[in-house]
Amino acid sequence: DVKVTQSSRYLVKRTGEKVFLECVQDMDHENMFWYRQDPGLGLRLIYFSYDVKMKEKGDIPEGYSVSREKKERFSLILESASTNQTSMYLCASGTGGVTEAFFGQGTRLTVV
Amino acid sequence: RKEVEQDPGPFNVPEGATVAFNCTYSNSASQSFFWYRQDCRKEPKLLMSVYSSGNEDGRFTAQLNRASQYISLLIRDSKLSDSATYLCVVLNTDKLIFGTGTRLQVFP
Repeated sequence: DVKVTQSSRYLVKRTGEKVFLECVQDMDHENMFWYRQDPGLGLRLIYFSYDVKMKEKGDIPEGYSVSREKKERFSLILESASTNQTSMYLCASGTGGVTEAFFGQGTRLTVV
Repeated sequence: RKEVEQDPGPFNVPEGATVAFNCTYSNSASQSFFWYRQDCRKEPKLLMSVYSSGNEDGRFTAQLNRASQYISLLIRDSKLSDSATYLCVVLNTDKLIFGTGTRLQVFP
């Protein structure tokens, strides 16, 4: 069974803090993605990576950065958390060509 | 204009009903198409891929119309367990783009 694991289910952080969201997959997938999901807006792509040390901006990269030092791990970094970054964050992985994307269980981040 | 558009619903249908969802996409170069299902407070999971010739998986039938740039999902003989949000997904150059989802509620 494919497993995509996100480090936390729930997280509460203060405005201005640096926040790290970690994602690990165990299927040797080339592609990894970070999305945020908000009511009425659906899933929006923040960043994705198709190889180690490679990253591409998605539709809403502002305020975020990513790191992929190892194939199985893709980290999302909020450099200085703000209240408008309160959201559900979902990590996904997939093979090259992306015939299917597998999601982690999500991290519900609240910035106060 | 959004890249992938869906009617948000909700669609409220009785058990046994047939229900259809449509989705339109804006990029004619999109390569692949999928329907995902998301249960409340859970992560999305692949329901089925959508092929040009149309494909069926049990009670579920997916269709793709490239000329009109729309995708459909038909659910026959609805079950209570089909209640969920159905997400239309399009692959554009290694980017998976999601619609906002259509909520289905099946009642007894």
